[in-house]
Amino acid sequence: IVLTQSPGTVSVSPGERATLSCRASQRVSGTHLTWYQQKPGQAPRLLIYSASNRATGIPDRFSGSGSETDFTLIISRLEPEDSAVYYCQHYGSSPEVTFGPGTKVDIK
Amino acid sequence: EVQLVESGGGLVQPGESLRLSCAASGFTMSRYWMYWVRQPPGKGLVWVSRSNKDGSSTTHADSVKGRFTMSRDNAKNTVYLQMNSLRVEDTAVYYCGRGGSWGSIDYWGQGSLITVSS
Repeated sequence: IVLTQSPGTVSVSPGERATLSCRASQRVSGTHLTWYQQKPGQAPRLLIYSASNRATGIPDRFSGSGSETDFTLIISRLEPEDSAVYYCQHYGSSPEVTFGPGTKVDIK
Repeated sequence: EVQLVESGGGLVQPGESLRLSCAASGFTMSRYWMYWVRQPPGKGLVWVSRSNKDGSSTTHADSVKGRFTMSRDNAKNTVYLQMNSLRVEDTAVYYCGRGGSWGSIDYWGQGSLITVSS
């Protein structure tokens, strides 16, 4: 499985919405599709698991959706603190865990 | 509070060995899968290894298979990554993580930098 994320970088204004895409090279189980946020100098933070379930403490501005090969993370009402790199990840086989290359979100 | 604290990183020469440790607290480690994930400088996340709850099953990425070994001591709430025959391309921040729901990693350590250079 290869995960491709687009765009590479997105620049949005506070209050706007960002739509991030994660595409798998073959059909995958959405049950095992995860999204993380990583800010500079910090460890990744779990945002969304099973494609659409927010992790504990994650605001409802973050939402995930998708199935088969196409998955989406939407960040609504962007705040300056949302500036980060966002990674999708799949758990499966060969290899067991795969990360996408990431999408950088810049706040204008 | 769940905490994962890595230690053991540093500067080593190609071909040398190093062992990373990850001390877990705030949860019962024996109930969780554990992971190692690395991040080369300025690049993305790369999975390295995974251990099941009791350490009886571990898997490793092809890039480290045969050189790295993940293990755990649940009595000490610690996971390890033994790294042998280190290469320049192994240079990265190494994170340990706790396995969460459906193949996710729900808690991450702060990371430990390993630099392989002559």
